[in-house]
Amino acid sequence: NFMLTQPLSVSDSPGKTVTITCTRSSGSIGSTYVQWYQQRPGSSPTTVIYDNNIRPSGVPDRFSGSIDISSNSASLTVSGLKTEDEADYFCQSYDSTSYVFGTGTRVTVL
Amino acid sequence: EVQLVESGGGLVQPGGSLRLSCAASGFTFSISDMHWVRQPTGKGLEWVSGIGTVGDTHYADSVRGRFSISRDDAKKSLYLHIGSLRAEDTGVYYCAREHNDLSYFDYWGQGTVVTVSS
Repeated sequence: NFMLTQPLSVSDSPGKTVTITCTRSSGSIGSTYVQWYQQRPGSSPTTVIYDNNIRPSGVPDRFSGSIDISSNSASLTVSGLKTEDEADYFCQSYDSTSYVFGTGTRVTVL
Repeated sequence: EVQLVESGGGLVQPGGSLRLSCAASGFTFSISDMHWVRQPTGKGLEWVSGIGTVGDTHYADSVRGRFSISRDDAKKSLYLHIGSLRAEDTGVYYCAREHNDLSYFDYWGQGTVVTVSS
């Protein structure tokens, strides 16, 4: 199995842009799709990006996803930061028999 | 409206067991792959187990041999029998639906809390 490593925390002011990385330990980041989930305090996770870069309906276009084969990582970018974006974010991918979540990143809006 | 409602959590002694349940509504349960994901307090998400529409099961290495997932399509319910419990099994257990065509969890329940302590 592989691991997905994220920074512990990122922060910035309202209106700014933050980017969270998710680095895969083994195997290619491009071999399976990457998802991103947002989890606000006391709530269940919700999907903000699936299949590397697709937003479910209802998710603002301030959220975008991408992958970088050269660094074997995925990224979630939140632009025009709002106080409501303050939450934990988890990347997730899978292999033939299991699903792997990233270590999680706390986004703080200063 | 899709709803997933977990139940069955509680306080259990080390070595004990529990059966968690997840009642589904608002979608065709029988054609959906279903999963359990857990979260220790203040920590990250960990996929625990999944079951396909034909009853094929998969487990995380950390629970294989101790946990057992099952489903009852007639009752639109998902189950997780958790046994030989350890302190590190403590946390919130979420039921989640896998999107029918894509490998991501599109709906989650509110979770049920399992506490393993003497």
